[in-house]
Amino acid sequence: DSGVTQTPKHLITATGQRVTLRCSPRSGDLSVYWYQQSLDQGLQFLIQYYNGEERAKGNILERFSAQQFPDLHSELNLSSLELGDSALYFCASSVERYTEAFFGQGTRLTVV
Amino acid sequence: GESVGLHLPTLSVQEGDNSIINCAYSNSASDYFIWYKQESGKGPQFIIDIRSNMDKRQGQRVTVLLNKTVKHLSLQIAATQPGDSAVYFCAENLPSGSARQLTFGSGTQLTVLP
Repeated sequence: DSGVTQTPKHLITATGQRVTLRCSPRSGDLSVYWYQQSLDQGLQFLIQYYNGEERAKGNILERFSAQQFPDLHSELNLSSLELGDSALYFCASSVERYTEAFFGQGTRLTVV
Repeated sequence: GESVGLHLPTLSVQEGDNSIINCAYSNSASDYFIWYKQESGKGPQFIIDIRSNMDKRQGQRVTVLLNKTVKHLSLQIAATQPGDSAVYFCAENLPSGSARQLTFGSGTQLTVLP
């Protein structure tokens, strides 16, 4: 158990819908990262938050957004869902720059 | 596109043999590297890391080697066990002020044969 909690574990929704994925980082970790993992793209970095502020942005679509709340949990919002958004979405957290990021178990999103 | 890539998508080794998984990276400014192991249905699990001011780091049964001259990273697993079967990813950290953007390679599937 990495200490990073993601909910829900599985999510099935229709195209055009909006979903929210939730992540609780390890106790004491200020940084939260979101990654998307699909079969043909591997692990793609989406976005990073540090203590409530956005710090780095990767290949995140405009239909996607995220935020980190004062209690440090984070949410990833995916809207106008398309079939191609079906993937595993991972959250990771870390204490600071040169420490490893610990990953949650992921949310498997299926868009039908 | 990906700045981190792997030489082999699959690797099969006999139980008890040593495994070597290779990774090439293209960004010479990357200052921190991590190897992750991902088992089916689970999130990536940290194995070992190395900073760019080092060229070797050892853990329990694992060793990471960094060759900055040719931008190459390798993970050596000693006495490979069935439980080592998984996909292994290398990741590089692209410095961006105080932020971290870990970029992952495409992964190598390690299969341990009995």
